[in-house]
Amino acid sequence: DAKTTQPTSMDCAEGRAANLPCNHSTISGNEYVYWYRQIHSQGPQYIIHGLKNNETNEMASLIITEDRKSSTLILPHATLRDTAVYYCIVRGGGAGSARQLTFGSGTQLTVLP
Amino acid sequence: DAGVTQSPTHLIKTRGQQVTLRCSPKSGHDTVSWYQQALGQGPQFIFQYYEEEERQRGNFPDRFSGHQFPNYSSELNVNALLLGDSALYLCASSLQGEKLFFGSGTQLSVL
Repeated sequence: DAKTTQPTSMDCAEGRAANLPCNHSTISGNEYVYWYRQIHSQGPQYIIHGLKNNETNEMASLIITEDRKSSTLILPHATLRDTAVYYCIVRGGGAGSARQLTFGSGTQLTVLP
Repeated sequence: DAGVTQSPTHLIKTRGQQVTLRCSPKSGHDTVSWYQQALGQGPQFIFQYYEEEERQRGNFPDRFSGHQFPNYSSELNVNALLLGDSALYLCASSLQGEKLFFGSGTQLSVL
């Protein structure tokens, strides 16, 4: 699976949009981009995933560049409860793949009051 | 609908001992994966069980073994514990692998 690069940490003001970038320049055609987050002392939580089109759900939006070499996770109105480590993961094998997730170090997002 | 449940939540062992961690998957899920998370790092994949067999394995020694039962629950066993095995052990379940749902983990301390 392709390697991802994320900033170590980011801050965001409460109520503002949080934009978390991820680079995955070696991504291949059948690899999906997944985002998980981990709030302190809890297990990781699935947020969203996509292949090439932008995706939106009740938690966030995922914007994938046309060349698929990078993506941005957007939390439209960040709250203090969104403070967590956010992991961008590239995984191959198709939408129903059983391949394991390879976590990097993630981005520590701190939402400030 | 209960999510993924793990037991115990905390455990203290000494070097050389053996430990068994347990996981009940989310209702309707048939696949269980185990991850190890050292302090300050992302989770590392140990292995995955499906239909009571180990389907994939990460870069962990044979001291780490597992089992999946007919009701899809799973156990992680670690023999001959080392200080470096101290970590948060996470169980994740899924239905055919698309989205993983994680439990809150078992914090293992090896003294």
